[in-house]
Amino acid sequence: AAGVIQSPRHLIKEKRETATLKCYPIPRHDTVYWYQQGPGQDPQFLISFYEKMQSDKGSIPDRFSAQQFSDYHSELNMSSLELGDSALYFCASTRKSAGGPLFGPGTRLTVL
Amino acid sequence: EDQVTQSPEALRLQEGESSSLNCSYTVSGLRGLFWYRQDPGKGPEFLFTLYSAGEEKEKERLKATLTKKESFLHITAPKPEDSATYLCAVLRNQFYFGTGTSLTVIP
Repeated sequence: AAGVIQSPRHLIKEKRETATLKCYPIPRHDTVYWYQQGPGQDPQFLISFYEKMQSDKGSIPDRFSAQQFSDYHSELNMSSLELGDSALYFCASTRKSAGGPLFGPGTRLTVL
Repeated sequence: EDQVTQSPEALRLQEGESSSLNCSYTVSGLRGLFWYRQDPGKGPEFLFTLYSAGEEKEKERLKATLTKKESFLHITAPKPEDSATYLCAVLRNQFYFGTGTSLTVIP
């Protein structure tokens, strides 16, 4: 069965650069979540979309923005990168009210 | 304040030594509780969804139960390949994750 696809899997950037992470949810899933996970920490909710509209916002810095497109894929845009942004970024998708989100393999972002 | 607390933080078991992991929550208006397994550097892998107190789900050596204030993940006769971090998450308007229990099963 198709899973959540994330790209790239690894990304290395310099401080103050920008990064774009992409997420392709499972077909027919209408809800996408973005999470940030630092080393040894639990996933921290950033933002979610339902049917291409932002549905909830968590601890997402103002330097970050995200959107969901007509084909349901989502992109997380990160600007003015800081060392502390180095983390695993997970995208997860679900059909609303139909169970727990299924996670992608993550994008490991390293900011040097 | 909505909170999800998992205990213990870390657990070391001998192969075959059964035990339980706890997830307690104070989220009001709970719409579901979810268990995940996460291996290092990988995305959380979905295990179970529980919706109402008294509900139980089983999969191989794992069994999840739910009460009004907590959930347990029982591991029966664990094997080394069960070593991972186990996360619980509760759904209100969004998914709130606990900090996880790191399980190590020693051969």
